[in-house]
Amino acid sequence: SSELTQDPAVSVALGQTVRITCQGDSLRSYYANWYKQKPGQAPVLVIHGKNNRPAGISDRFSGSSSGDTASLTITGAQAEDEADYYCNSRDSSGNHLLFGGGTKLTVL
Amino acid sequence: QLQLQESGPGVVKPSETLSLSCTVSGGSISSNSYYWGWIRQPPGKGLEWIGSMFHSGSTYGSTYYNPSLKSRVTVSVDTSKNHFSLNLTSVTAADTAVYYCARVVAGPSPWVDPWGQGTLVIVSS
Repeated sequence: SSELTQDPAVSVALGQTVRITCQGDSLRSYYANWYKQKPGQAPVLVIHGKNNRPAGISDRFSGSSSGDTASLTITGAQAEDEADYYCNSRDSSGNHLLFGGGTKLTVL
Repeated sequence: QLQLQESGPGVVKPSETLSLSCTVSGGSISSNSYYWGWIRQPPGKGLEWIGSMFHSGSTYGSTYYNPSLKSRVTVSVDTSKNHFSLNLTSVTAADTAVYYCARVVAGPSPWVDPWGQGTLVIVSS
């Protein structure tokens, strides 16, 4: 299918580790990239490719992939990590970009 | 540091054409290895890729559009002004969204960085 599926909402206790997943057939061929979006703001890239962090992104963020599922892991979640997270990759045809539906992360 | 800024009308009437422009500063729109694209986000909903244009190298001028929007979308680049544009025809209320312009880094798994701040476009009579 040409979709990327994310859990709508995930919660994590302050200081704990959380994994946000993104599932899709195209992820067997392509890596997922990850974006963080706070209310009223544009998305910000946090992970791209296999597991690459842009400059200025905390090393608490890491990416991984297995089969048709990509994961964004936040180690030691902080209050400022509370946001919506989106994955993106190519679709199965390879010609178009896709975004997942987004995951709302709540830090308790 | 590359920055992008959207501009255009905040309200468009149904059946008319939505036209937005994105000004790129801090870098050249003719740089290799980049697409220039548009992404939108309806209020309270997720991100939707609209389309991208590749403006350098062997795929100069190549455009890629979301299949669900392809019949209504045009993305174009003006290197003389270092900006690119979006035209979306025959708009309806379903096209109400925050529209982001962005640079797409080409590669096996293209990523979007940076994004413009976004501009809200409301389709209403």
